[in-house]
Amino acid sequence: LAKTTQPISMDSYEGQEVNITCSHNNIATNDYITWYQQFPSQGPRFIIQGYKTKVTNEVASLFIPADRKSSTLSLPRVSLSDTAVYYCLVGDRGTNAGKSTFGDGTTLTVKP
Amino acid sequence: DVKVTQSSRYLVKRTGEKVFLECVQDMDHENMFWYRQDPGLGLRLIYFSYDVKMKEKGDIPEGYSVSREKKERFSLILESASTNQTSMYLCASSLGGQGTDTQYFGPGTRLTVL
Repeated sequence: LAKTTQPISMDSYEGQEVNITCSHNNIATNDYITWYQQFPSQGPRFIIQGYKTKVTNEVASLFIPADRKSSTLSLPRVSLSDTAVYYCLVGDRGTNAGKSTFGDGTTLTVKP
Repeated sequence: DVKVTQSSRYLVKRTGEKVFLECVQDMDHENMFWYRQDPGLGLRLIYFSYDVKMKEKGDIPEGYSVSREKKERFSLILESASTNQTSMYLCASSLGGQGTDTQYFGPGTRLTVL
């Protein structure tokens, strides 16, 4: 099981780019990296998933270096509404989802 | 859109009571999950189910049981509630059971055990 480590909290200001890094030193060959976002009083929701290099969607970008021992979620030009907890999750197609473990998450606070 | 609903947003129970938390999903998903979330501890998996009447223990199953009699419904049962089970409980479902499958979460039930 690949354990993930994230910073507990981060602060930013509106309009800035935010990068949240997740460490997963024992990631396995078949593992993918998935990020979820959780707003207060809501359940987490999927943001982005990737295996290597770079993935981009309308919400965020995910950067994964060649050794895949870490990944960085990038949020461009954050707004107050991006204040949330962000979770990194590592899991592979061959194992049951119950074997993937959510980390403790990173609480991002965006200030005006 | 996938919808996962939980029977209550807030629940207050007394120590020793039997507590049922209900979760329903409307997308014919194979897998369903129960997590608890506590400050500083992130999301911890209690149980998951990969098919009707099938279940597997997660990381913290002690003090809990589950029931899945129908595909769309997954119940979490606290046989004898204790104060250390005061927490936010989150239900999720996913189409398949692989580690890469997106999990869709409900809004959560905040349970307080007095």
